[in-house]
Amino acid sequence: ETGVTQTPRHLVMGMTNKKSLKCEQHLGHNAMYWYKQSAKKPLELMFVYNFKEQTENNSVPSRFSPECPNSSHLFLHLHTLQPEDSALYLCASSQDLVPGELFFGEGSRLTVL
Amino acid sequence: TQLLEQSPQFLSIQEGENLTVYCNSSSVFSSLQWYRQEPGEGPVLLVTVVTGGEVKKLKRLTFQFGDARKDSSLHITAAQPGDTGLYLCAGAGDSNYQLIWGAGTKLIIKP
Repeated sequence: ETGVTQTPRHLVMGMTNKKSLKCEQHLGHNAMYWYKQSAKKPLELMFVYNFKEQTENNSVPSRFSPECPNSSHLFLHLHTLQPEDSALYLCASSQDLVPGELFFGEGSRLTVL
Repeated sequence: TQLLEQSPQFLSIQEGENLTVYCNSSSVFSSLQWYRQEPGEGPVLLVTVVTGGEVKKLKRLTFQFGDARKDSSLHITAAQPGDTGLYLCAGAGDSNYQLIWGAGTKLIIKP
């Protein structure tokens, strides 16, 4: 496999469920990111990891919990979400911290009922 | 707070027409990137502009960075249905690892 892969592609969950999104990059990059994409809004940066260390948490609610076990894998653990959390969640990687090129996965479409 | 405003938000034109998409800010950026996102996919980088006044061409796409590095434009000549997608601009600003994103221009090219 090449590039950045995300699973699952689609996820429907209730407000009391616990689920996780997974991201894997095969590019040998050092930085990984979680973004939230909502219609007609700019991409919202949620978390940044550089060499497995979290360097940014953009005031994201605690119901979103990131995990980066190594520089190739990134998880986003979800619990007690709200309907307004429904969005496309994009994982990205870059060789080093931006402003270099970001390589995005195809995204995980999340629907919270 | 740095912001990037993209216009228009939505554009639907016939194949063969020309179009321009704008990305404007009151802030100065060290560089600016343009991405295209097709339905069901993640954004893919088209170009990065770095120098004020810089013009880059990618086949029928022409990208320009404003002289003051506060704005950028994307011009497409003779648009094709394959150009359909969401075009996003992103500027590198004050933070080392935060890009400032525009809300995007959704472009539809009708055959």
